[in-house]
Amino acid sequence: ILNVEQSPQSLHVQEGDSTNFTCSFPSSNFYALHWYRWETAKSPEALFVMTLNGDEKKKGRISATLNTKEGYSYLYIKGSQPEDSATYLCAFRNNNDMRFGAGTRLTVKP
Amino acid sequence: NAGVTQTPKFQVLKTGQSMTLQCAQDMNHEYMSWYRQDPGMGLRLIHYSVGAGITDQGEVPNGYNVSRSTTEDFPLRLLSAAPSQTSVYFCASTLLRGDSEAFFGQGTRLTVV
Repeated sequence: ILNVEQSPQSLHVQEGDSTNFTCSFPSSNFYALHWYRWETAKSPEALFVMTLNGDEKKKGRISATLNTKEGYSYLYIKGSQPEDSATYLCAFRNNNDMRFGAGTRLTVKP
Repeated sequence: NAGVTQTPKFQVLKTGQSMTLQCAQDMNHEYMSWYRQDPGMGLRLIHYSVGAGITDQGEVPNGYNVSRSTTEDFPLRLLSAAPSQTSVYFCASTLLRGDSEAFFGQGTRLTVV
């Protein structure tokens, strides 16, 4: 059984705050770690796909890091904006399938 | 550029009825999968396939059937719908390469009464 855990479950921040979420995953049979952004009434969209231990990826104000040896990834959002409000999902991919965490629901208040 | 096409968008079934959710992708992706989304539980894997003729069970396969006769299509069958299958269903596809992102269908909101 694969366990992908995300924390916190939900987060409320003020516009301009920086924030981060955690994704923990099994450290064995690692293939890739994905981060997705999921807005209400839409489908998840990929933010990052990371495959190497120590990977750091950045897209605008959002960045992510990966530690495959200890089985965790962090997603950072710098200077949160109301349009960042969404659920952020991480997914662990082994050589068979892809399993998702329950997500972190971010609400950014103006 | 169609991507992943999932139908229908909404469906109401009576307990005991059967139905098929359709999923098709035009990106030549080897890997296709079905997830269900329930409040507080993210996306849970129902079934997946790594290529035509190959399917396997995910976390919550009971009550669902799949087949993969072509690379493009991966239908999900509910054999005898139950209220516990009320959920939002997503189909996704990706390449088998580890660094490939997944693409999702638009989702199907299914209600079983």
